Amino acid sequence: EAGVAQSPRYKIIEKRQSVAFWCNPISGHATLYWYQQILGQGPKLLIQFQNNGVVDDSQLPKDRFSAERLKGVDSTLKIQPAKLEDSAVYLCASSLGTGLFTGELFFGEGSRLTVL
Amino acid sequence: AQSVTQLDSQVPVFEEAPVELRCNYSSSVSVYLFWYVQYPNQGLQLLLKYLSGSTLVKGINGFEAEFNKSQTSFHLRKPSVHISDTAEYFCAAAGTYKYIFGTGTRLKVLA
Repeated sequence: EAGVAQSPRYKIIEKRQSVAFWCNPISGHATLYWYQQILGQGPKLLIQFQNNGVVDDSQLPKDRFSAERLKGVDSTLKIQPAKLEDSAVYLCASSLGTGLFTGELFFGEGSRLTVL
Repeated sequence: AQSVTQLDSQVPVFEEAPVELRCNYSSSVSVYLFWYVQYPNQGLQLLLKYLSGSTLVKGINGFEAEFNKSQTSFHLRKPSVHISDTAEYFCAAAGTYKYIFGTGTRLKVLA
């Protein structure tokens, strides 16, 4: 079974530029998460989708971050314009179910962003 | 509000020694508890989970954890560590729509 796919694995940009990350979850998984992991910290939820609807985006900096999950499958996370503090690993995860508890999370390998 | 606290940011231990990584949670609702491991430049991988039933849960790579409701703890243990266990370990709690992660414990196994 294929795992969660993310691309690109690494990206270096200058501040004020834009960047986009792509995630393809495990086939059949209804729920998709984007987490931000700053060096030395635990993952912080940015946005959670169930199918193509947003369940939680309370910690997404909406002035610069946006995310979509068209057709309830793959997802794109965009940052525009980037700031130095956006340097982090962006992790995508998926889980099978929907509702209050969606099951265990399966993570991709992450996309490491460096903002200069 | 839901929160997860990992009390130790780093734990050095000699190879073949036992180890315990501590995790405490707080939640006003029932939670499901997890331990994930992260190797360098990789995503998180599930070690074990507590959903219900027996409070002692066994996971992959010889790890186990015990759910203690009265102490709101879910400590991770391994009786004998290997060099290959060197990694970052994250405790997580899942409640109503939310997964909350702790700040992580870096396990360093010394030869």
